[in-house]
Amino acid sequence: AQRVTQPEKLLSVFKGAPVELKCNYSYSGSPELFWYVQYSRQRLQLLLRHISRESIKGFTADLNKGETSFHLKKPFAQEEDSAMYYCALLYNQGGKLIFGQGTELSVKP
Amino acid sequence: ETGVTQSPTHLIKTRGQQVTLRCSSQSGHNTVSWYQQALGQGPQFIFQYYREEENGRGNFPPRFSGLQFPNYSSELNVNALELDDSALYLCASSPWTGASYEQYFGPGTRLTVT
Repeated sequence: AQRVTQPEKLLSVFKGAPVELKCNYSYSGSPELFWYVQYSRQRLQLLLRHISRESIKGFTADLNKGETSFHLKKPFAQEEDSAMYYCALLYNQGGKLIFGQGTELSVKP
Repeated sequence: ETGVTQSPTHLIKTRGQQVTLRCSSQSGHNTVSWYQQALGQGPQFIFQYYREEENGRGNFPPRFSGLQFPNYSSELNVNALELDDSALYLCASSPWTGASYEQYFGPGTRLTVT
């Protein structure tokens, strides 16, 4: 079955520290993966997608098909990165996004 | 460019009642998806509408139904409300560009069933 797992509910780091938010997926086809972010009192928005291989706000994510992972990384966390992060898998090219449970990132000064 | 809007913002209903939630998609978007987000969980896909037809459905019972209108706005209807239906309901619109596209989310409607 298709599934996205984010093992950490809360990740707390100090400003300037590296950040890695973990995401593992289960999918029999060729996966298309995304990271969505929700800042306080804002709507859910796309952060990045694996096919574009972009770096957004200093975040990167590499798809590792062998480990079925799509971890989100940033070398130096900023306080404004504090938010809820969701990893999502696009299922069957039909618009169905399967979300993980989310990881709350808290960056302390 | 107008973003996705949803109404109402909050809603309180009693078990057994029916509810209709509304969504206006972003300009130029012809696809609308609905998600249910329970407290502490990620969004769960309910269904998607493309050009007024249901284009995919998640594991939700038939009492969850929807409509899409010619202007691509959409409604989510839930009959015979249960306590577990209490959640944030999110609408997302997207342009149909084939294999990969971005979904633009609305602010959500918070439904409480008592």
